Amino acid sequence: DAEITQSPRHKITETGRQVTLACHQTWNHNNMFWYRQDLGHGLRLIHYSYGVHDTNKGEVSDGYSVSRSNTEDLPLTLESAASSQTSVYFCASSEPIPGTSAGTGELFFGEGSRLTVL
Amino acid sequence: SQQGEEDPQALSIQEGENATMNCSYKTSINNLQWYRQNSGRGLVHLILIRSNEREKHSGRLRVTLDTSKKSSSLLITASRAADTASYFCATDAWGGGGSQGNLIFGKGTKLSVKP
Repeated sequence: DAEITQSPRHKITETGRQVTLACHQTWNHNNMFWYRQDLGHGLRLIHYSYGVHDTNKGEVSDGYSVSRSNTEDLPLTLESAASSQTSVYFCASSEPIPGTSAGTGELFFGEGSRLTVL
Repeated sequence: SQQGEEDPQALSIQEGENATMNCSYKTSINNLQWYRQNSGRGLVHLILIRSNEREKHSGRLRVTLDTSKKSSSLLITASRAADTASYFCATDAWGGGGSQGNLIFGKGTKLSVKP
């Protein structure tokens, strides 16, 4: 069965360290997204990609970067981790709604990566 | 900024009762989606309703969309303890067609169904 997996599921790091969260999907979806989830804020979009070599900034992109070298993977990198980046991170993928060029279709989410920055 | 806002923030009901959650949004949309999240898990898609649709059903779920009021509701009928979860509405970042949007989520409604 197709799936989307995130790793690591839990990570503790120190302020200033570089951290990379992996996201791998076997749906063969062109669209991939990274969200963070925090109490009181819901899910906020960090970065997204509509295909290989395409990346776009979301609502809360400062301090984060992504790269898309193939269809399956969209790693999220925190260049210099800060305590404010302690959060649960979710990766998701999707395809457009069939028969239309407008609108985002159903998102398939990973199980999340819980990051703690000390 | 948040596009969708769910109401209420928390809802506690008895098994067998119906649960209604509301979502309001600010700008034109292509579609609106509802997701469910069990504690400690990823979000799972429940239902998608397009901007030209007014009502949609899926099993015990009923979703309505009122684009004139920029609001949607999710009704879960005959609730079960297993329905205990957080429910989120999500809307496209922009409407008007021609381009894919990306989803912007509300803060969610936490539903507790007591046996």
